Amino acid sequence: DAKTTQPNSMESNEEEPVHLPCNHSTISGTDYIHWYRQLPSQGPEYVIHGLTSNVNNRMASLAIAEDRKSSTLILHRATLRDAAVYYCILWSSNTGKLIFGQGTTLQVKP
Amino acid sequence: DVKVTQSSRYLVKRTGEKVFLECVQDMDHENMFWYRQDPGLGLRLIYFSYDVKMKEKGDIPEGYSVSREKKERFSLILESASTNQTSMYLCASSFRQSRLSGNTIYFGEGSWLTVV
Repeated sequence: DAKTTQPNSMESNEEEPVHLPCNHSTISGTDYIHWYRQLPSQGPEYVIHGLTSNVNNRMASLAIAEDRKSSTLILHRATLRDAAVYYCILWSSNTGKLIFGQGTTLQVKP
Repeated sequence: DVKVTQSSRYLVKRTGEKVFLECVQDMDHENMFWYRQDPGLGLRLIYFSYDVKMKEKGDIPEGYSVSREKKERFSLILESASTNQTSMYLCASSFRQSRLSGNTIYFGEGSWLTVV
């Protein structure tokens, strides 16, 4: 199974953009890249996902490298409510498995 | 709203007890998953199911079994609970076409199990 690698933690100031990186050098051609986030004492919630092209939604943007070996989740203006653990996940369309990385703990400072 | 409901939020069980963790989804999803989450180890897949009465082992199935008798319900069973199964357990579900399109997976709130 392909793995993801993320920094353990990152800090950001409120109202500033945040770029959360993820490496997935062994990704296969049919693996989707998902991002989820988890607030304390809650289950993970969906943020965004993509396959090859960059994606935008109301929560964030996902930039996928051309070789697909890395991706970046972009929060355009961090708020205090964005403080959470962010997981970069590969969805294997061959096995149906969700493969979680260790996640990045994002701290947002006022 | 989409809903994945885990029956118990907090449980305390004794070593050797049989433990049932229940999960129900109201979205008519074909896929259902059980994960455990531990500090420093992230989320690890225990079992998943693509359909009623169907199950596949995840990365850490040892010490666990599952049951999927109805489409909306996926149960995780600890036949004889041990202290190393103290953890937070997360249930999730998604549509089958997620295998091809990578659609959204929905998680429950989690069940905190302590085995003493």
